[in-house]
Amino acid sequence: RKEVEQDPGPFNVPEGATVAFNCTYSNSASQSFFWYRQDCRKEPKLLMSVYSSGNEDGRFTAQLNRASQYISLLIRDSKLSDSATYLCVVKRSDSWGKLQFGAGTQVVVTP
Amino acid sequence: DGGITQSPKYLFRKEGQNVTLSCEQNLNHDAMYWYRQDPGQGLRLIYYSQIVNDFQKGDIAEGYSVSREKKESFPLTVTSAQKNPTAFYLCASIERGTTDTQYFGPGTRLTVL
Repeated sequence: RKEVEQDPGPFNVPEGATVAFNCTYSNSASQSFFWYRQDCRKEPKLLMSVYSSGNEDGRFTAQLNRASQYISLLIRDSKLSDSATYLCVVKRSDSWGKLQFGAGTQVVVTP
Repeated sequence: DGGITQSPKYLFRKEGQNVTLSCEQNLNHDAMYWYRQDPGQGLRLIYYSQIVNDFQKGDIAEGYSVSREKKESFPLTVTSAQKNPTAFYLCASIERGTTDTQYFGPGTRLTVL
């Protein structure tokens, strides 16, 4: 079983709509959580860290559920520019700097 | 501008040849990482270095080698022992702090002919 699992999608979303997707992690020692965005054939870029209390950055909201071992990302009022692959990233407490990456969820926002 | 640079952007190699991918950062980060990304898979860690003159194997180190002689530089050599070297290679460095955010270079796309 992979340590970090994501629905690969694609999630086809009309412009202006809301889309949400989850990521599950298997290691209960996981300590830090992130969402990265990756455009086609480009490097991943940090979208946001995920805090225990949940956090929001503009149209993006991230939630963490430690009991069920998943994190979520919600995008409101989707823009065409939100089309990308969203990578779920987890850091274990016992691995300094070493991150575990999900394979990504593809989001396609359509006009 | 501070950041991570990787060169070349595209690299073609014949089977049996070793190639070296460059990674340079001017962010003054101590730790640097090499990942490879294959279609439909998450990034997989090849090697990492937490400090100059020290490096550790990641999850898929076989067929690769690295050096860390300077803080700014962490080159990766893909040797002929790597059976499936065609991939997108990403270098990253880390800013120590409360979240340990990793920053990535633009990547090198290696194709073996």
